[in-house]
Amino acid sequence: GAVVSQHPSRVICKSGTSVKIECRSLDFQATTMFWYRQFPKQSLMLMATSNEGSKATYEQGVEKDKFLINHASLTLSTLTVTSAHPEDSSFYICSATERQLYGYTFGSGTRLTVV
Amino acid sequence: AQSVSQHNHHVILSEAASLELGCNYSYGGTVNLFWYVQYPGQHLQLLLKYFSGDPLVKGIKGFEAEFIKSKFSFNLRKPSVQWSDTAEYFCAVSALYGGATNKLIFGTGTLLAVQP
Repeated sequence: GAVVSQHPSRVICKSGTSVKIECRSLDFQATTMFWYRQFPKQSLMLMATSNEGSKATYEQGVEKDKFLINHASLTLSTLTVTSAHPEDSSFYICSATERQLYGYTFGSGTRLTVV
Repeated sequence: AQSVSQHNHHVILSEAASLELGCNYSYGGTVNLFWYVQYPGQHLQLLLKYFSGDPLVKGIKGFEAEFIKSKFSFNLRKPSVQWSDTAEYFCAVSALYGGATNKLIFGTGTLLAVQP
């Protein structure tokens, strides 16, 4: 079945630095990728939608200059948290789909801790 | 805007009890419906999905869900739960926005604890 690899699984960074999270579709072409954020004991909140070769579409309230998304190829999307602060600490999850009819495949998530 | 609501935030059951988790969505157009499960420390896994056809959908591990269009509902059921079903369950809906890419929106989740 479809597999999405997300890396790193855990990262700790200092406040003010930037962190890049990668999301790769291993056995299919991900025409669309989604980035979610999950706070403890809460649901997944959609941050942005990215289509290969296009600019990402951000949800209301998500700072596009802080959360940079690049979807340069059909198998790779990256999320860069710029100038991270402790309030950015969260669980970030990517999801990819080739076509909506095939469903959505999720990565295993990245636990970001900003100290 | 579409939204998804799950009425039960925390459910505690004994083994062999029957389960029904509610899910309602608000969107007037065509939707695709999903149930995901997240076991402790693991990533999301798809339990089942509905795109079209028979509104009663059977998924993995004995789960099923019924799409009732008139009620905007997609409740998840299992006739007899096991301790290994302890997990968090998320209902999710995707809908077209003016022909753009379908966004998958999640409900708040239901934490199920099954007592042996």
